[in-house]
Amino acid sequence: SQKIEQNSEALNIQEGKTATLTCNYTNYSPAYLQWYRQDPGRGPVFLLLIRENEKEKRKERLKVTFDTTLKQSLFHITASQPADSATYLCASHRGSNQFYFGTGTSLTVIP
Amino acid sequence: GAVVSQHPSRVICKSGTSVKIECRSLDFQATTMFWYRQFPKQSLMLMATSNEGSKATYEQGVEKDKFLINHASLTLSTLTVTSAHPEDSSFYICSARPSTANQPQHFGDGTRLSIL
Repeated sequence: SQKIEQNSEALNIQEGKTATLTCNYTNYSPAYLQWYRQDPGRGPVFLLLIRENEKEKRKERLKVTFDTTLKQSLFHITASQPADSATYLCASHRGSNQFYFGTGTSLTVIP
Repeated sequence: GAVVSQHPSRVICKSGTSVKIECRSLDFQATTMFWYRQFPKQSLMLMATSNEGSKATYEQGVEKDKFLINHASLTLSTLTVTSAHPEDSSFYICSARPSTANQPQHFGDGTRLSIL
């Protein structure tokens, strides 16, 4: 069955460092991947979308890569700040309504 | 950016009550909306896909008579939890996707449902 995995439940890093989160998918080929931020008790907030024919996408301090050979997407936050602390969700999409979400990675940026 | 409004944000009610949750896309049209359920420290579990003007598509294991979905317009979908019981207590989140191709989902802020 189709599967999407985020390979760490929690990640702690020091303020100012780059946080790297991983998303792997198996048994299918998503047309694009999306990254969301979710704070406790809130709905996910869309951050970035990357298509299968794109290698990299950037938005301010955020960068996403998509490697169809490794079946993996990496999400980077550079110059991390305590305000970046949240859960980050990876989601894949193929076809009109085939969405799959990972379980999320909880990021804590330590001052 | 795209905004999705979900209401109410929190409901506390007695067992046996039916609860209606609304999901509105405020600045775009959405032929498709999605309803999710999320348990603590877990990911989003898709319950059903709501299509404007037609019946919703439910995921396996989700009772369609329990969770009634109505998508009456391009900007509004409702989820009604009928005769709610304590095991229905959860965080329910809706999302909407713009009708144009290859667009991300945009989420509401969720509804915390607590059944006593």
